[in-house]
Amino acid sequence: SQKIEQNSEALNIQEGKTATLTCNYTNYSPAYLQWYRQDPGRGPVFLLLIRENEKEKRKERLKVTFDTTLKQSLFHITASQPADSATYLCALDDRRALTFGSGTRLQVQP
Amino acid sequence: EPEVTQTPSHQVTQMGQEVILRCVPISNHLYFYWYRQILGQKVEFLVSFYNNEISEKSEIFDDQFSVERPDGSNFTLKIRSTKLEDSAMYFCASREQGWDNNEQFFGPGTRLTVL
Repeated sequence: SQKIEQNSEALNIQEGKTATLTCNYTNYSPAYLQWYRQDPGRGPVFLLLIRENEKEKRKERLKVTFDTTLKQSLFHITASQPADSATYLCALDDRRALTFGSGTRLQVQP
Repeated sequence: EPEVTQTPSHQVTQMGQEVILRCVPISNHLYFYWYRQILGQKVEFLVSFYNNEISEKSEIFDDQFSVERPDGSNFTLKIRSTKLEDSAMYFCASREQGWDNNEQFFGPGTRLTVL
């Protein structure tokens, strides 16, 4: 079965800097890779999806890359704000179900 | 903006009791899911449901679990005889029809506490 690793349990950065979160997986490359945001006690909220044949996807201050050779996705938040503080989940999507990583907790300091 | 709703927000039950968790998916969505998240752990897939039948289920989804779409709006998860280890947040999710519309919309969750 797939193993998914997300970098470090917590990431602390200063407001205005770029946050970079890593998602590594083993075994096969999924059809899609998705990123979600989860706030404490809440359900995941979809942010971005990237397909296996795409290298990069952008949406406002967010950017996702997908390298099927390295079996890795990077998630960037530029010009970070304290409101971006949350746990960010990587999820592998094989068109049947989502397999989530354990998440990276991002704390943006003002 | 349409959203997935779940009731109750918190359910406390005694071990061995049956519980039913309820979800109202977004109205034009056709794929429905249940996930669970044990405190401090990752979100885990339980089951997916399409066209009135289970599409996929995980190893967690054993005979104690069942799902149903009793009418045109509700989607329920039943746990027949709860165990202590069933204590978790249970999330319902839905998505549109379409091979490429893979964004899943999650509800706020039901916190299940088994005593």
